[in-house]
Amino acid sequence: NAGVTQTPKFRILKIGQSMTLQCTQDMNHNYMYWYRQDPGMGLKLIYYSVGAGITDKGEVPNGYNVSRSTTEDFPLRLELAAPSQTSVYFCASSYSRLAGGLPTDTQYFGPGTRLTVL
Amino acid sequence: AQKITQTQPGMFVQEKEAVTLDCTYDTSDPSYGLFWYKQPSSGEMIFLIYQGSYDQQNATEGRYSLNFQKARKSANLVISASQLGDSAMYFCAMREGGADKLIFGTGTRLQVFP
Repeated sequence: NAGVTQTPKFRILKIGQSMTLQCTQDMNHNYMYWYRQDPGMGLKLIYYSVGAGITDKGEVPNGYNVSRSTTEDFPLRLELAAPSQTSVYFCASSYSRLAGGLPTDTQYFGPGTRLTVL
Repeated sequence: AQKITQTQPGMFVQEKEAVTLDCTYDTSDPSYGLFWYKQPSSGEMIFLIYQGSYDQQNATEGRYSLNFQKARKSANLVISASQLGDSAMYFCAMREGGADKLIFGTGTRLQVFP
């Protein structure tokens, strides 16, 4: 059971370059998320998706784009990379449900992508 | 206002001792879930324990327990019998019933020494 996989593990970009971070989950989870974690800091939500074809902005969406054409895949696109986007990027997924009104879903995280923009 | 607050940037504990990591939260939603995640130096995020707002008892998972004090809006993580492998960052998170997102605290770095 692979869980949440992310590629690549590491990447160095030059300012102005573009790239796509790939995320795939094989748990049939409906919700997927992209976070960034700056050194010594907590996680900040970039974008999330509650199902195929539906995406929404998180706390720090500027400079990023996402799409969700299938349940399994949730790629994150960086256009015109900037040094401020140097960070570790985590993808996560969950099967979101309410049990008696309570959100009980646990998020499962990928291993992360370490991105450096020079 | 911060929804999740972890006031301890760093904690030290001796091996085999218990340690409490603090977490307070702020919400007006009566339905919410509280989560703790561990992030070792290798970087992955590992789910530890969950507490629902309607749960009458404190959650426990092996050496982890959650000291849930609803009236004080606190959800402290207690690690009993600390091990060297417990050295990591620990994040508290909350999801409100009406929301699609987890909100994370800033984390506490725990170091266990022999």
